[in-house]
Amino acid sequence: NAGVTQTPKFRVLKTGQSMTLLCAQDMNHEYMYWYRQDPGMGLRLIHYSVGEGTTAKGEVPDGYNVSRLKKQNFLLGLESAAPSQTSVYFCASSYPPGRTYEQYFGPGTRLTVT
Amino acid sequence: EDQVTQSPEALRLQEGESSSLNCSYTVSGLRGLFWYRQDPGKGPEFLFTLYSAGEEKEKERLKATLTKKESFLHITAPKPEDSATYLCAVQSSGTYKYIFGTGTRLKVLA
Repeated sequence: NAGVTQTPKFRVLKTGQSMTLLCAQDMNHEYMYWYRQDPGMGLRLIHYSVGEGTTAKGEVPDGYNVSRLKKQNFLLGLESAAPSQTSVYFCASSYPPGRTYEQYFGPGTRLTVT
Repeated sequence: EDQVTQSPEALRLQEGESSSLNCSYTVSGLRGLFWYRQDPGKGPEFLFTLYSAGEEKEKERLKATLTKKESFLHITAPKPEDSATYLCAVQSSGTYKYIFGTGTRLKVLA
């Protein structure tokens, strides 16, 4: 049982380049989330999904796109990277309301955009 | 607007010196309040969920309590391995989103 995994762990991009971050969970969770964490800002929600084939915007969605084609996977895309997107990105998953509510986080992806 | 404020931002304790971390929150209807531990370079690790005022949860040297406006994470006789950033989050009823505080960085000195 690996929990929540993220690939890659580290990445350096040049401004304007694109990339996709992959999140996978093996806990059969319905809900999945993408956050970014910056010093002094806490965890901020980028996009989330409440089930396969569904996505929704969070607090800071601009410049990012997501897809949830399979229940266990949640992809975060950067179409044209900007230095402001330098951050640590965390994926999380949880059960839907009615069961337990806590989130389980992946180990993070550290992204630097130069 | 849902909001979470944690204090202090940073705390240094001697080994064995008990203390408390504070999480003040404003939410339209609380579904749950969550505490996480985050070690440097790692993802947050779930500690506790509290659902209603008066509830308490314990795990080893940690005890979390909840009132209608705030939650405390009490650390009894801390050890150096308790050093980490502790995050508080809330989820309001009728939403799928979680609001996080900026965390308290705890350093326990041997």
